[in-house]
Amino acid sequence: DSGVTQTPKHLITATGQRVTLRCSPRSGDLSVYWYQQSLDQGLQFLIQYYNGEERAKGNILERFSAQQFPDLHSELNLSSLELGDSALYFCASSVEAGDTYEQYFGPGTRLTVT
Amino acid sequence: AQSVTQPDIHITVSEGASLELRCNYSYGATPYLFWYVQSPGQGLQLLLKYFSGDTLVQGIKGFEAEFKRSQSSFNLRKPSVHWSDAAEYFCAVVRMDSSYKLIFGSGTRLLVRP
Repeated sequence: DSGVTQTPKHLITATGQRVTLRCSPRSGDLSVYWYQQSLDQGLQFLIQYYNGEERAKGNILERFSAQQFPDLHSELNLSSLELGDSALYFCASSVEAGDTYEQYFGPGTRLTVT
Repeated sequence: AQSVTQPDIHITVSEGASLELRCNYSYGATPYLFWYVQSPGQGLQLLLKYFSGDTLVQGIKGFEAEFKRSQSSFNLRKPSVHWSDAAEYFCAVVRMDSSYKLIFGSGTRLLVRP
């Protein structure tokens, strides 16, 4: 158990809908990363938040957004969903202090768009 | 740009045999390197990391990896594979820009013959 929790585990929804994925980082970790894992793209970085502020963006679509709340949990919002958005979405957290850059991953949310 | 290459998509070994999974990276400075394992239906678990110092690093579950700067490699090894090691293995490098996001290789799926 990494200490990172993600809900829900599975999500099935229709095209055009909007969903919210939730992540709670490990206790003490200020940084939250979101990654998407799909068969054709592999594991891709989407976005990072550090202590409530957006720090970096990767290959994140404009239909997707995220935020990190004062209690440090994070939500990834996916809207106008398309079939191609079906994937496993991971959240990871990191303390990022000194030379400690390793990230700890949650179990993921499997999104299926039908 | 930083990149990670895992040249083997699949590897099959017999239980009890030794294992080496290859990873090559492209990075201008000293890289921060990781190996993660993903069991079916699970999240990513950190096996080991290299930041600096001793180029042979030990990880969990009996795994080790050796950093070779001259070959830009960070290969994962295990002297005796167990059936429970069957999983997908990902090599990753930290991209040190405004964030510390992970750049992942495409993964190697390990199959273990009884």
